[in-house]
Amino acid sequence: AQRVTQPEKLLSVFKGAPVELKCNYSYSGSPELFWYVQYSRQRLQLLLRHISRESIKGFTADLNKGETSFHLKKPFAQEEDSAMYYCALSGLSDTGRRALTFGSGTRLQVQP
Amino acid sequence: ETGVTQTPRHLVMGMTNKKSLKCEQHLGHNAMYWYKQSAKKPLELMFVYSLEERVENNSVPSRFSPECPNSSHLFLHLHTLQPEDSALYLCASSQEDQRGTRFFGPGTRLTVL
Repeated sequence: AQRVTQPEKLLSVFKGAPVELKCNYSYSGSPELFWYVQYSRQRLQLLLRHISRESIKGFTADLNKGETSFHLKKPFAQEEDSAMYYCALSGLSDTGRRALTFGSGTRLQVQP
Repeated sequence: ETGVTQTPRHLVMGMTNKKSLKCEQHLGHNAMYWYKQSAKKPLELMFVYSLEERVENNSVPSRFSPECPNSSHLFLHLHTLQPEDSALYLCASSQEDQRGTRFFGPGTRLTVL
């Protein structure tokens, strides 16, 4: 079975401070990891994928297979980064089908 | 309208009512999903349709009945719901081979009285 853990329900930082949203996973195969974001009054949307090795809105995430982590980072937080962030893992489920499993989410609050 | 649309955006219903949620995707995708998002639980996958065939049902109570008449439309029929079914119901679509990438609709906020 695959599992995604986001240990923090709420992360509050000041504008300009570094941000790290933690994500750990459990999966026996080779995982594909994603970060989704949901801004206030907006729909849930894909932020970035580990296979793309991209930086979106200043955010990056590196897959660490040794620590089974995929933490989301940004060096300088901005107020518009305030949102709900979900880590997700795509892997083969027990039925043999590919499934996308979401973590419970972390609310990021960036204070002025 | 482009992307994934859902109607209605808000719905209040009694426990004896029957209602339906509608989802439409304009992205040419071949897979569609229903998710439940509530304050107390993580995002829960309810149903998956691939090429109009239901391929996954995550132990959802029978009071929720999905329907996928074609690859662009997805319905969730509701009957005799319980107050604990109150939540935000999200529809999503994807291409079957684009693993992990989901395009979400805005959701229907359901309140069961």
